[in-house]
Amino acid sequence: DQQVKQNSPSLSVQEGRISILNCDYTNSMFDYFLWYKKYPAEGPTFLISISSIKDKNEDGRFTVFLNKSAKHLSLHIVPSQPGDSAVYFCAASSTGANSKLTFGKGITLSVRP
Amino acid sequence: GAVVSQHPSWVICKSGTSVKIECRSLDFQATTMFWYRQFPKQSLMLMATSNEGSKATYEQGVEKDKFLINHASLTLSTLTVTSAHPEDSSFYICSAIRDSSYYEQYFGPGTRLTVT
Repeated sequence: DQQVKQNSPSLSVQEGRISILNCDYTNSMFDYFLWYKKYPAEGPTFLISISSIKDKNEDGRFTVFLNKSAKHLSLHIVPSQPGDSAVYFCAASSTGANSKLTFGKGITLSVRP
Repeated sequence: GAVVSQHPSWVICKSGTSVKIECRSLDFQATTMFWYRQFPKQSLMLMATSNEGSKATYEQGVEKDKFLINHASLTLSTLTVTSAHPEDSSFYICSAIRDSSYYEQYFGPGTRLTVT
């Protein structure tokens, strides 16, 4: 049973436009959410996170939105750049989980020049 | 920064042999390290949690006698795949955290294991 779901396997956007990557979760105990970016044959790189006490966190071109009632979060990248092309993983954790993360399957983002 | 390295980056071995993968935190002391496995186009699957000086905690379904984990110091954890088989071929990634109060894990670059 997948507790973190990234239902769209891929997304293609034009350079300069907004990329919206979605993530849903089922475990109501999750209270911290993270996005990681991964290039082929490399380990994931931490991008941005959000605590359940917030509904928005912004860092430069990256903004994460959290809708707790819908158990849904999204990562917005604006403006999108070709260098953003990568696989994006959504991950979640809960207090008392000893920092263990549960990952989604990832979304492959392609930004077209 | 928070840099995690892995060695080797790729390895090919024959069935029945054992392979050791090292994970090092280069610029911080890692109280906890994690080992993941990733199949093509799949998520990162947590294999085990490794705490310095204590036994690793394995996730359900992971054979602890096959995947030996040793966390000998605050900067080094090793994963040994024993008696490797072709189905063990995968991408193995480690991560580390600086403090158990933080959720952010810092990942190594991964190790591609191919068992022939």
